[in-house]
Amino acid sequence: GQNIDQPTEMTATEGAIVQINCTYQTSGFNGLFWYQQHAGEAPTFLSYNVLDGLEEKGRFSSFLSRSKGYSYLLLKELQMKDSASYLCAVRPSGGSYIPTFGRGTSLIVHP
Amino acid sequence: EPEVTQTPSHQVTQMGQEVILRCVPISNHLYFYWYRQILGQKVEFLVSFYNNEISEKSEIFDDQFSVERPDGSNFTLKIRSTKLEDSAMYFCASSRQENEKLFFGSGTQLSVL
Repeated sequence: GQNIDQPTEMTATEGAIVQINCTYQTSGFNGLFWYQQHAGEAPTFLSYNVLDGLEEKGRFSSFLSRSKGYSYLLLKELQMKDSASYLCAVRPSGGSYIPTFGRGTSLIVHP
Repeated sequence: EPEVTQTPSHQVTQMGQEVILRCVPISNHLYFYWYRQILGQKVEFLVSFYNNEISEKSEIFDDQFSVERPDGSNFTLKIRSTKLEDSAMYFCASSRQENEKLFFGSGTQLSVL
């Protein structure tokens, strides 16, 4: 089975930095996704980490530690439009490649 | 950028009726998926489809559900006899390869009354 944990909600100030954590216990691991989902819209791809370390993509960075079953998404220079849910999804190994999503973290950015 | 398209955006139906949700995956993608999201809950996997057959399905995907690729572009999800608890946003997704990222459509909001 798979268990993916994320904080339910976070708040942050415009211009600040926020880190959204995700921990997982899965039967095999083949990679971890971060998706952004605005209310009533489709998830949109942010990052995919397969190997340990930090990957930076503009204002967003994603980190993975496979030995700790841990990832985080780092958002810098927060903007109001970053208010959304951030979904952590783990791709297993050993027969299934289907990503399983966590419950998501609702980020509220205020002025 | 190419995108996954879904129709309709909203569907209202009576309990017990059949519904068909339609999706056009990205043209060079080989793997297709249906997920659903009940309001306030997480995105849940329903079924994956490759090479004209189901490759994997979850326990949610019971005999009331079926998928089909009726032609070279469309991918459909049919719910045979809808129940109140089927009310959810249904997302279609596709990926080029099995181990690549999924692109999601904008979803169909299904309301069963």
